[in-house]
Amino acid sequence: GESVGLHLPTLSVQEGDNSIINCAYSNSASDYFIWYKQESGKGPQFIIDIRSNMDKRQGQRVTVLLNKTVKHLSLQIAATQPGDSAVYFCAETGSSYDKVIFGPGTSLSVIP
Amino acid sequence: ETGVTQTPRHLVMGMTNKKSLKCEQHLGHNAMYWYKQSAKKPLELMFVYSLEERVENNSVPSRFSPECPNSSHLFLHLHTLQPEDSALYLCASSLSGENTEAFFGQGTRLTVV
Repeated sequence: GESVGLHLPTLSVQEGDNSIINCAYSNSASDYFIWYKQESGKGPQFIIDIRSNMDKRQGQRVTVLLNKTVKHLSLQIAATQPGDSAVYFCAETGSSYDKVIFGPGTSLSVIP
Repeated sequence: ETGVTQTPRHLVMGMTNKKSLKCEQHLGHNAMYWYKQSAKKPLELMFVYSLEERVENNSVPSRFSPECPNSSHLFLHLHTLQPEDSALYLCASSLSGENTEAFFGQGTRLTVV
């Protein structure tokens, strides 16, 4: 069936290093992908999105890469900070947000 | 603040109780969602309302009953819940039919005893 999954359930990085969080998806019809960050005690918060007609999109300290050939999505965080510690979810959807599928999440811990 | 407010933040209820979760959005969105987040599980979409009409019900048990009186408010009525229903219940809103992100509330932490 359709699924969105993460390669690594937990990730620890040193403060100042770059972080890479990976996500695999199986529905090749998906055309919109989102990364969310969820801090403890809070709801998921939008970080960055990308549409299927793009393979890279950059935000402030974050970059999302999309490889449609292997159905792979990644989130890169530059110069990781303690405030980046959270669970990160990837999500995919097709024609509308009604059909969004979330991955299981990756817990990122930043070591000061 | 995301513009989506959920109340209460925490709720403890017995299996015979009836309670309601409330969600309110001030973003001008026309679609609202209920999600369930359990430990070690992906977010599970429960209900979708688009333009105040329910468009998705992912086989959710009838002990969960949603209500969307207008595009800014969403309720989840709870009755005769089970302990396994204990979870974080998240509300979200977005613009219907468009590929844009959803904005989430902070959730209601529900414990069924």
